[in-house]
Amino acid sequence: NAGVTQTPKFQVLKTGQSMTLQCAQDMNHNSMYWYRQDPGMGLRLIYYSASEGTTDKGEVPNGYNVSRLNKREFSLRLESAAPSQTSVYFCASSDVDRSLMETQYFGPGTRLLVL
Amino acid sequence: SQQGEEDPQALSIQEGENATMNCSYKTSINNLQWYRQNSGRGLVHLILIRSNEREKHSGRLRVTLDTSKKSSSLLITASRAADTASYFCATSRMDSSYKLIFGSGTRLLVRP
Repeated sequence: NAGVTQTPKFQVLKTGQSMTLQCAQDMNHNSMYWYRQDPGMGLRLIYYSASEGTTDKGEVPNGYNVSRLNKREFSLRLESAAPSQTSVYFCASSDVDRSLMETQYFGPGTRLLVL
Repeated sequence: SQQGEEDPQALSIQEGENATMNCSYKTSINNLQWYRQNSGRGLVHLILIRSNEREKHSGRLRVTLDTSKKSSSLLITASRAADTASYFCATSRMDSSYKLIFGSGTRLLVRP
């Protein structure tokens, strides 16, 4: 199993350009997440999808949109990139285990630089 | 605002020594988890402790949870150079079990 995969690994954008970050998981998980990680800030939740067909805002959703394309795929779109969106973006997935606990599994990240 | 805050922000120890990291949080939790992140990589789950547990072990890892003080600690015994990484605590709140709130992390350097 590949686990959680993300594309691209690196991206440089100019201010105002748009792009979509792709994420896919092969663990049949119901829930998927997008985070951003800035130096010294830990991870902050942008959007999440508790199950196929649903999406909800996290802590820092402004400037982003998401699409839960199917159970496997969850994409993050920047419509008009800004320098403040320069960050490392992580996708994660999770599912409830027998003890009703959830552990998240992370992708390798996408490094985005907005000039 | 972030739920968990780690202490210290950075820790440098000699190989073979024990490393202790602390995490404090603000609201009632369902569980608390610790994750590890090697430089330039994604996070990897280490251990989960439920709100009704006080201590948990996994290999060289020992986690404690004190819900009265809203704090947790991660102890890595007999550290190795390969333990060099950033360590994050993450809390799952009672009102939204599938969302995790991450702290800002402790950067651990284990010197050979």
